[in-house]
Amino acid sequence: EVQLVESGGGLVKPGGSLRLSCAASGFTFSDAWMSWVRQAPGKGLEWVGRIKSKTDGGTTDYAAPVKGRFTISGDDSKNTLYLQMNSLKTEDTAVYYCTTLVTYGMDVWGQGTTVTVSS
Amino acid sequence: DTVMTQSPDSLAVSLGERATINCKSSQSVLYSSNNQNYLGWYQQKPGQPPKLLIYWASTRESGVPDRFSGSGSGTDFTLTISSVQAEDVAVYYCQQYYSIPITFGQGTRLEIK
Repeated sequence: EVQLVESGGGLVKPGGSLRLSCAASGFTFSDAWMSWVRQAPGKGLEWVGRIKSKTDGGTTDYAAPVKGRFTISGDDSKNTLYLQMNSLKTEDTAVYYCTTLVTYGMDVWGQGTTVTVSS
Repeated sequence: DTVMTQSPDSLAVSLGERATINCKSSQSVLYSSNNQNYLGWYQQKPGQPPKLLIYWASTRESGVPDRFSGSGSGTDFTLTISSVQAEDVAVYYCQQYYSIPITFGQGTRLEIK
């Protein structure tokens, strides 16, 4: 069964840092493009960024609100995707989902992990 | 950035009736080299992550009931639920993956009348 399980969310003060993890199983993680999507409380979906597979260059792209503050990486040996979040702002408060990213969209989603940025 | 605009923001439909949700993109999401529209529809039920329903604008994901259908090309798209069931209560989002940044519509909330 294809599965994504996020962890690492929590309460952090503005200006702080947090690293989210997404454990993948049931598919060849090293071949996959992956993405992070977030959802602020009561709001819609917002794409955060993506990482291509190493065979496709391993490059990353980010949404403008997080560029320069967030970093996406992956560890193929651990089948795990990461989202390093620095200089956090209150507006980063959201549920963060990791997803697979295939040519036709985001076909697998995790259950999400909640990040709250508050003093 | 490609802006995705859905209409309506919410709709209430009686059980068994048709529901139609529209999505308009600010730029074409039709990729000429493969003639595919890079447009997907997602369903998000309360307390759950989103689920991919439709991709390439009109292809149903495996396991999705055939009462769900997608249509449109270029900049104008529609999600239709032919006969709404109670389990279809959810927020529906369109998404373009033609260009970075990937963008979503604001969502349409479907309720039962």
